[in-house]
Amino acid sequence: EAGVVQSPRYKIIEKKQPVAFWCNPISGHNTLYWYRQNLGQGPELLIRYENEEAVDDSQLPKDRFSAERLKGVDSTLKIQPAELGDSAVYLCASSPGGQGATYEQFFGPGTRLTVL
Amino acid sequence: QQQVKQSPQSLIVQKGGISIINCAYENTAFDYFPWYQQFPGKGPALLIAIRPDVSEKKEGRFTISFNKSAKQFSLHIMDSQPGDSATYFCAVVSNFGNEKLTFGTGTRLTIIP
Repeated sequence: EAGVVQSPRYKIIEKKQPVAFWCNPISGHNTLYWYRQNLGQGPELLIRYENEEAVDDSQLPKDRFSAERLKGVDSTLKIQPAELGDSAVYLCASSPGGQGATYEQFFGPGTRLTVL
Repeated sequence: QQQVKQSPQSLIVQKGGISIINCAYENTAFDYFPWYQQFPGKGPALLIAIRPDVSEKKEGRFTISFNKSAKQFSLHIMDSQPGDSATYFCAVVSNFGNEKLTFGTGTRLTIIP
């Protein structure tokens, strides 16, 4: 079974430039998450999707971050414009969904973003 | 708002020894207490999890001990091996209202020969 796929794996951009990350979840997983992991810290949730609906985006900095999950499968996370403090690893995760399944999240390898 | 405090930040254990990582949480409204393992360049992977109505869960060399009254839980790795060298995150999950997985700050475990 293929795991969560993310691309690109690494991205280096200059501040004020836009950047986008792509995620393909495990087939059949209805719930998709985007996390940000700063160096030496645990992942922090940015947004959670149930199918194509964003059900928790309370931690997403909406002035510069946006996300979409078309057709309830793949998802894209965008930052525009990027700031120096956005340097981090952006992780995508998916889970089958349903009551009690929240902790069974399957993570992708992440995209390491460096903003210069 | 830090809901999960994890210690130690780093840990060095000799091969064959017992590795112990501790977590404390601040809110009683949690339903699951998972531990995730993360290797460099990889995403976290679920290692073991426990429900609050159980005081201990064991899977192979990995054991979670849970103390509900103290709001603490810990991961014990028996017979630690070099392949266990990784960063470990405890987490708490609430299934009521806004389902959310909140991670601790992580423990970098190194197993030396």
